[in-house]
This record gives sequence, C-alpha cells and structure tokens, in this order.
Amino acid sequence: GAGVSQSPSNKVTEKGKDVELRCDPISGHTALYWYRQRLGQGLEFLIYFQGNSAPDKSGLPSDRFSAERTGESVSTLTIQRTQQEDSAVYLCASSLGLGSGGDTQYFGPGTRLTVL
Amino acid sequence: GDSVTQMEGPVTLSEEAFLTINCTYTATGYPSLFWYVQYPGEGLQLLLKATKADDKGSNKGFEATYRKETTSFHLEKGSVQVSDSAVYFCALSDRGSGYSTLTFGKGTMLLVSP
Repeated sequence: GAGVSQSPSNKVTEKGKDVELRCDPISGHTALYWYRQRLGQGLEFLIYFQGNSAPDKSGLPSDRFSAERTGESVSTLTIQRTQQEDSAVYLCASSLGLGSGGDTQYFGPGTRLTVL
Repeated sequence: GDSVTQMEGPVTLSEEAFLTINCTYTATGYPSLFWYVQYPGEGLQLLLKATKADDKGSNKGFEATYRKETTSFHLEKGSVQVSDSAVYFCALSDRGSGYSTLTFGKGTMLLVSP
C-alpha cells in the first residue's frame, strides 16, 4: 500500500509558537520513529513507539518536545514554545517492529520546520 | 554507545568512475547495517542492507559487504551515473534492547558530473 506520509510538508512559524507534526505509518507497521535532521547533519533519533509499549523518549532534546501515537496508527510530534534551533526537517519512519525483517525502517518525506 | 562514522564529502566524480564511500561502526552485539540515500528534494530511501557478518547487500549496482573483523560497511559502485548524485547515509540498527532504533552517520554527498 501507500508509504509513510507526513503533514504538513512545510511549516513556518514564529518563535514561541507551538507546532504539531503528523505522521501516518505504513499499514501494519507496529513500530514508529521520529528523527530530526538539521541542515547538513545526519539524523538524530527523537522517539520510538512499539505497539502498546511505553515509548522510548530518550532522544527528545527537551521537555518542549512530546509525541503521541494512537494505537498502531497515526502519530503526532508536538513542539511547544518553538525556538530557532528547532528549525530542521522532522522525519518519521515505520517498520514491522520486533522480529525478522522488522528492523528495516521506511521513511516519510519529512516536514521542514522553519522557526523565524 | 553506538556510532557510525563515514567519510566526509562531498565526493566529486565523473560519470562512469568507480565509487567507494567508507563507513565504519561501533556497536554492542550484532547490528544490522544499512545504506540510505537521499536524492535532492526527496526523503530517505533504503538503498541496501545486511544483517550478519559477510552478508553482501546490493541494489541498483551498489554493493556493501558487512565486515565484522574491520567493523566496516563500505559502499561501492563500479560505474556511477549523474543520477546517482545524492547524499548517502550509513546506519546501524542495534537490537540490544529488543528493538531497533537507527544510528546514522552524518552523510556523504556524492556529486557526479557528465
């Protein structure tokens, strides 16, 4: 079926505003990941969801960042009181999860966030 | 912790030249290894993967062999094309805790000229 989708594709916001980014994973994928890609840099892991288990939030850079996932479907990443250093491309990925072949992650096109 | 180191770019080649992009890793246990490619203006795409030592991943003329003895996963292509111009990311997946977040290198930009 369809790949991972993300919305919006681009978001420009003012410093101090809250933003919400959305990810629709591939149907049937139990694992979902959020990454951040700053300009000219590799990807930084932010948060990981696996089924109904407690998410791994170890990569979130500050308490302004949070994410939720409804069951094994849509996820939202929320950044409160945005700062200019939050400007980056936010990438979502999904995978089949635990087990053979489950470690291959498929990425969405990303949301480019610009904080003015 | 886990880490991936890849050669800095940009790598600039003429069409039909041989390509090598070096990648070495540090990980506990036995990670899976990946190469992802990001074409201009597009998202990350899985290029190839290898899940155990001596495995060779291949796709679109690209190859990489999982070398546990040298902790390396170098990407090679015998004859590059202009359309191969992109940023290439080496990554590993560590199942140490039963799941598999990806640890990425910083990426290597490849520029191929006609």
